[in-house]
Amino acid sequence: EPEVTQTPSHQVTQMGQEVILRCVPISNHLYFYWYRQILGQKVEFLVSFYNNEISEKSEIFDDQFSVERPDGSNFTLKIRSTKLEDSAMYFCASSDLPGQFFGPGTRLTVL
Amino acid sequence: AQSVTQPDIHITVSEGASLELRCNYSYGATPYLFWYVQSPGQGLQLLLKYFSGDTLVQGIKGFEAEFKRSQSSFNLRKPSVHWSDAAEYFCAVGARNTDKLIFGTGTRLQVFP
Repeated sequence: EPEVTQTPSHQVTQMGQEVILRCVPISNHLYFYWYRQILGQKVEFLVSFYNNEISEKSEIFDDQFSVERPDGSNFTLKIRSTKLEDSAMYFCASSDLPGQFFGPGTRLTVL
Repeated sequence: AQSVTQPDIHITVSEGASLELRCNYSYGATPYLFWYVQSPGQGLQLLLKYFSGDTLVQGIKGFEAEFKRSQSSFNLRKPSVHWSDAAEYFCAVGARNTDKLIFGTGTRLQVFP
């Protein structure tokens, strides 16, 4: 069964450093998403991406964040200068109607 | 604004007992509704979804959910719980099936033998 994969599973970084979280969506899907879940809190939408551009973003997704589909398979989330409050589990999801399928997540720890 | 409420933070049931997890939503139009399950340290697995048609939907692992427009609810049920069902369950609502999902706060299910 096809699945969404994410790397790394755990990333530890120093405050102010840049991180790139990587995702490989399901191959025939056209819609891509990033969500995050701060420990003990609900899953929150960050951004959706379709046809090589952002289709919607939340207020969380400020100028420190960016997304890219650098090739035909990867979908990345970059945080330019990490803050302590960026520590969370980051989930990638993809969809080609109906329902979004989520990857296992990347746990980001900012020290 | 769209929102999802899961009133039960934590539910404990005995193995073999029936289960109902509550979900209420607030949305102006007909929503798309989803239930996801998250086992410890794992990602979110789609259990079932409702877009239109029959208001009782069947999902994986023996789960079902019923959409009740009059009550703005989409409760998840299972007739007989297994110990492996212990996990966190999230209800989510979307404007259309390619739009962002709004999640509830989740219900943690504990199953006693």
